[in-house]
Amino acid sequence: DIQMTQSPSTLSASVGDRVTITCRASQSISRWLAWYQQKPGKAPKLLIYEASTVERGVPSRFSGSGSGTEFNLTISSLQPDDFATYHCQQYNGLYSATFGGGTKVEIK
Amino acid sequence: EVQLLESGGDLVQPGGSLRLSCAASGFTFSSYAMNWVRQAPGKGLEWVSVITGSGDNTYYADSAEGRFTISRDNSKNTLYLQMNSLSVEDTAAYYCARDFRPATLADAFDIWGQGTMVTVSS
Repeated sequence: DIQMTQSPSTLSASVGDRVTITCRASQSISRWLAWYQQKPGKAPKLLIYEASTVERGVPSRFSGSGSGTEFNLTISSLQPDDFATYHCQQYNGLYSATFGGGTKVEIK
Repeated sequence: EVQLLESGGDLVQPGGSLRLSCAASGFTFSSYAMNWVRQAPGKGLEWVSVITGSGDNTYYADSAEGRFTISRDNSKNTLYLQMNSLSVEDTAAYYCARDFRPATLADAFDIWGQGTMVTVSS
């Protein structure tokens, strides 16, 4: 099974900061990676798929990069609405998916 | 509006059973593979199971294999998860989620329900 490791698990930042979250796969997943944002008590929201394609309606401050085993989610200028937990997900496996452990972005 | 609405979550004793439902609206339900994803309190997301659009093929995480059964009724636009032999480790919010693209199986999930809580406790 493919394992996904996210870092850091918690990140303290201020409004306006540039923030980067990393997700590493235990084996190559090409570009089959998605990023989600989740707020407390809510369902996850798709932000990025295929490593770098931004979902419609997602602000342009969100971007994704990487391929193979290492991927990044970057928020170019953190906004108050961005304080949330972010999850990566690989979907390279034929019939399954795996999520990372999540990264909570907190107010510094 | 594209929407998924789960129901059926409850408090159940260890060893018990429960069936979750997910009602879909606003899209051609039979064209999309559908998934169940769960999240234990304070923990990350865990993919549980997927079913193809036709319902002909199903796949499970190791934690669900042999105990959970995913199914769908395309005439009712509804997805199900039958859970048997429940343990305290199955306590979680259960979400149904749609594959991003029609006629695919391994994909990102673009539409999620609001979740239904399953608590396994004596």
